[in-house]
Amino acid sequence: AQSVTQPDIHITVSEGASLELRCNYSYGATPYLFWYVQSPGQGLQLLLKYFSGDTLVQGIKGFEAEFKRSQSSFNLRKPSVHWSDAAEYFCAVGARDTDKLIFGTGTRLQVFP
Amino acid sequence: IAGITQAPTSQILAAGRRMTLRCTQDMRHNAMYWYRQDLGLGLRLIHYSNTAGTTGKGEVPDGYSVSRANTDDFPLTLASAVPSQTSVYFCASSDTRRGGGGELFFGEGSRLTVL
Repeated sequence: AQSVTQPDIHITVSEGASLELRCNYSYGATPYLFWYVQSPGQGLQLLLKYFSGDTLVQGIKGFEAEFKRSQSSFNLRKPSVHWSDAAEYFCAVGARDTDKLIFGTGTRLQVFP
Repeated sequence: IAGITQAPTSQILAAGRRMTLRCTQDMRHNAMYWYRQDLGLGLRLIHYSNTAGTTGKGEVPDGYSVSRANTDDFPLTLASAVPSQTSVYFCASSDTRRGGGGELFFGEGSRLTVL
């Protein structure tokens, strides 16, 4: 069955520290992979996506993610976190011919000054 | 500003009542979706529509219905609300005509409480 696992429910980091949010997927075909961010009381906004090609993708707000097929992972990283990055982050997987995404359960990021 | 408009923003509803959540987009996207977001469960797809006049069931369709009479509007109806339908509902749209795998654009959500 297709699924997305985000093993960390809640992560706390200090401002300026590096960040890595984990995402593992199970998908029968070549996946399309996404990271979305949700600020409190808001809808979701796309951070970045991977379709094919270079396995390291750059997104908005200084985020990047690396696709590792051998590990079925698509972890999100940022070298230096800002207080405004506090939000909930969702990993999602889809297929080439549809935008019916399967979302993970989300990771809530808290940033301390 | 182009995007997705959802209404109402928040609603408290008695169990057994009928409720329609409205969703309108002005981006001329062909595909639209309804997700519900619950703590610890992430977002789950309720119904979707790939084009006006067609709809499909998602992961959790029971108790919900949708219609897509035109490109812009995609209302979600709860015929007889139950407390387990207490959730935050998100409408989204995308343009899949260029091969899919595109970006979903989300509304700001409708918080529904069923008592």
